[in-house]
Amino acid sequence: NAGVTQTPKFQVLKTGQSMTLQCAQDMNHEYMSWYRQDPGMGLRLIHYSVGAGITDQGEVPNGYNVSRSTTEDFPLRLLSAAPSQTSVYFCASSYRSMNYGYTFGSGTRLTVV
Amino acid sequence: AQSVSQHNHHVILSEAASLELGCNYSYGGTVNLFWYVQYPGQHLQLLLKYFSGDPLVKGIKGFEAEFIKSKFSFNLRKPSVQWSDTAEYFCAVKYYDGGSQGNLIFGKGTKLSVKP
Repeated sequence: NAGVTQTPKFQVLKTGQSMTLQCAQDMNHEYMSWYRQDPGMGLRLIHYSVGAGITDQGEVPNGYNVSRSTTEDFPLRLLSAAPSQTSVYFCASSYRSMNYGYTFGSGTRLTVV
Repeated sequence: AQSVSQHNHHVILSEAASLELGCNYSYGGTVNLFWYVQYPGQHLQLLLKYFSGDPLVKGIKGFEAEFIKSKFSFNLRKPSVQWSDTAEYFCAVKYYDGGSQGNLIFGKGTKLSVKP
């Protein structure tokens, strides 16, 4: 039972590069979300999905794309990296009922230079 | 817009002191409430949650929280902290407003430093 798996754990990008942060869960959770964590800002929602094929924007979606082709996977794409996207990114998942809260992945620390 | 406020940015306590961290939310309807803890270098872990029923909720590691609907508050408490409680604590709220029902909105967090 792996829970929520994020890869990579660390990444350095140059401004303008693109990349995909991977997130996979093996708990058959309907909901999946991407948050970014910045000092003093808490966690801010980037994008979320309520099920396969359904995604929507959160609080800070600009510069990011998502897709949900399967229940298990929810990748986050950075289209053209900018220094403002330097952050720690967390993927989280939960059952629709939210009775157990969100389960978080271990995070991806991204630096854009 | 819905929001979650955590009043203290950084709290410093000595071991065995009592802890109370404040959390207020902005919505008067149905909410689910959570406290998460993040130890240095780690991901968020669920401490406790409130959905309905007894407003005094007990969680892991001796933590508890009280939901006061009239004050829109969900404060976290622990009678006697330990050095191992040093971490950042996040309050989170799920709002039921017919819109984004799958999301948690987080407060900005409170760093707790416990001196041995």
